[in-house]
Amino acid sequence: DGGITQSPKYLFRKEGQNVTLSCEQNLNHDAMYWYRQDPGQGLRLIYYSQIVNDFQKGDIAEGYSVSREKKESFPLTVTSAQKNPTAFYLCASSGPESSYEQYFGPGTRLTVT
Amino acid sequence: AQKVTQAQTEISVVEKEDVTLDCVYETRDTTYYLFWYKQPPSGELVFLIRRNSFDEQNEISGRYSWNFQKSTSSFNFTITASQVVDSAVYFCALKSDRGSTLGRLYFGRGTQLTVWP
Repeated sequence: DGGITQSPKYLFRKEGQNVTLSCEQNLNHDAMYWYRQDPGQGLRLIYYSQIVNDFQKGDIAEGYSVSREKKESFPLTVTSAQKNPTAFYLCASSGPESSYEQYFGPGTRLTVT
Repeated sequence: AQKVTQAQTEISVVEKEDVTLDCVYETRDTTYYLFWYKQPPSGELVFLIRRNSFDEQNEISGRYSWNFQKSTSSFNFTITASQVVDSAVYFCALKSDRGSTLGRLYFGRGTQLTVWP
């Protein structure tokens, strides 16, 4: 089955620790995205990558880092510099044309205490 | 600048009622794409529809219908004869076709729809 997997579904960390969220897709999509969702808010773009070994900052990149070494994988690291990391994180991917819709993974709910 | 506004934060209806979710967008692009997504309580966003800026035909899919009007920059979504399973957050989104924002989706804040039995 083609799709996007994110693991784990729930993640708990202590303040001051870096944590990496996994995102894998087997849809052969070129573009991948990371979004953050807070209660009552829409989705805000953290980082996106349109091709392997290249990525761009979104609207709220501070305190986050990414890598895109393989087409299938786009991990997101939430660093200790992120002041309010507790949120729901969604990964998405899309085909090469700008018209293509984005497909989303099931999300990871991160809680930092 | 790209912007999507969903003015309705929450809507509650009783089963079998019709409900319309509003979406207003802003863009200076001549070519752009509009989307609707559904987010059930599980959290995963489910793609519902894509519409490009050159196609103003309304679309119907079962109980769902979409009304795209460029004159008012709106892309509204109607659910006919709503059901409890329609309860979810619905997002409208806009995608540019050019420039540095190519490929990015701009989301509205979403509308929480609750359908009561």
